[in-house]
This record gives sequence, structure tokens and C-alpha cells, in this order.
Amino acid sequence: DTGVSQDPRHKITKRGQNVTFRCDPISEHNRLYWYRQTLGQGPEFLTYFQNEAQLEKSRLLSDRFSAERPKGSFSTLEIQRTEQGDSAMYLCASSLTGDYGYTFGSGTRLTVV
Amino acid sequence: AQSVTQPDIHITVSEGASLELRCNYSYGATPYLFWYVQSPGQGLQLLLKYFSGDTLVQGIKGFEAEFKRSQSSFNLRKPSVHWSDAAEYFCAVGVTGGFKTIFGAGTRLFVKA
Repeated sequence: DTGVSQDPRHKITKRGQNVTFRCDPISEHNRLYWYRQTLGQGPEFLTYFQNEAQLEKSRLLSDRFSAERPKGSFSTLEIQRTEQGDSAMYLCASSLTGDYGYTFGSGTRLTVV
Repeated sequence: AQSVTQPDIHITVSEGASLELRCNYSYGATPYLFWYVQSPGQGLQLLLKYFSGDTLVQGIKGFEAEFKRSQSSFNLRKPSVHWSDAAEYFCAVGVTGGFKTIFGAGTRLFVKA
């Protein structure tokens, strides 16, 4: 198992464009999380999946953000009509039910110009 | 509301010296507490976690942390710091149910020769 994989590692996009990030969790992990981290801050919770069901979304996740986890495997996070304030590191993590520690991926750094 | 405070934005220690990183939390129930480490441009790695039982927990890379309920603290310690320990350290508290973790703003550790 290679851990949690995120793709791409870096993304530069123009304001107003749509972007999509992918996360492949550890294969046996049924929980998947998305966090956002801005410079000088700790990660902030965005959303959480248990298998394919999205069970919780933060108020940070505006209607321009959507996340999916089809078939309970990989997940995608899409941002529509990007804004400069969306520039951040987007982190994916996974875990097993009952295991409160996460395994994080290396993140996708988004820069909106 | 749950929160985590890391009072020190950055700390500098000499290689071989001891280290203590401070963390205070606010949480109504019995906390699930974590320390993560993040190297530049990377995701977070779990160092150690506390759920219950012995209040002194051992982690990876020679780190330990002590839970003090009376002080709402969970400080991270290492007896002898190595240059490779230079990184950002995040204290975090887990919400009951395990689907959400609240992170502190982090403490950047610098190690001088």
C-alpha cells in the first residue's frame, strides 16, 4: 500500500476557471476527509465521507465546492468559478471507522491567479 | 466550541537540547488528542494520539506527550532534538465520532547546530 495519493501536486489556474482534485485513500480505509490549509494555519475541515456517503460538510464548503466519492473508493473535490481566496493546500486523509488518527496525503497546492 | 491553542508560533532549539511544545484545548467531553508533524510542502504525519488510560503517551521518532486534564493541556516533548526534527507541529482535538478534527495553528520548530 502506497498510502494516500493526491493528484495533482500543484495546480495553477486563472480566476473563474473550474478545477478538480483527486484523492486515492488507503484501500481498506472506509472514511475519507478533505481539509484545506492556508499559509500559517492548521488544516480546516471541509467534508467527510463514510464509504460513498458524504456525511458532513463544513460551512467553509460553499456552493462552488462539490465533493464525491463514487463506489466508496477514490474521491474528487471540484471547485467551480475559482476565486483568489481559494488559493490553499487541499489535503485528503483517510482512516478506518473507530480509528481517530488520520493518514494524510501530500496535498494539492492550488494557486488562483 | 472546540478549539486548540498553540501559544508559540515558532521555537528555536539547539541540536541535542530538549524540546517542549505547548498545546491547550477546549472541548466539553473527554478529548481525543493528537500531535501531527508537517515537513515543508508535505502532508501531515501522525506522531501520537491519546484517547484514555495512561496520560503519558509515546509516539514515533522519540516523541512523547502528556495529557493534563486539570490544565487542559497536551504538551509534546522530546529529550534530544535532531536537525531532522525541524518542521511544523500541529496539536489537534478529535470530535466524538471521529469524523472531524480541530487543528491548532501550528508551531514551527527550528533546530540550530
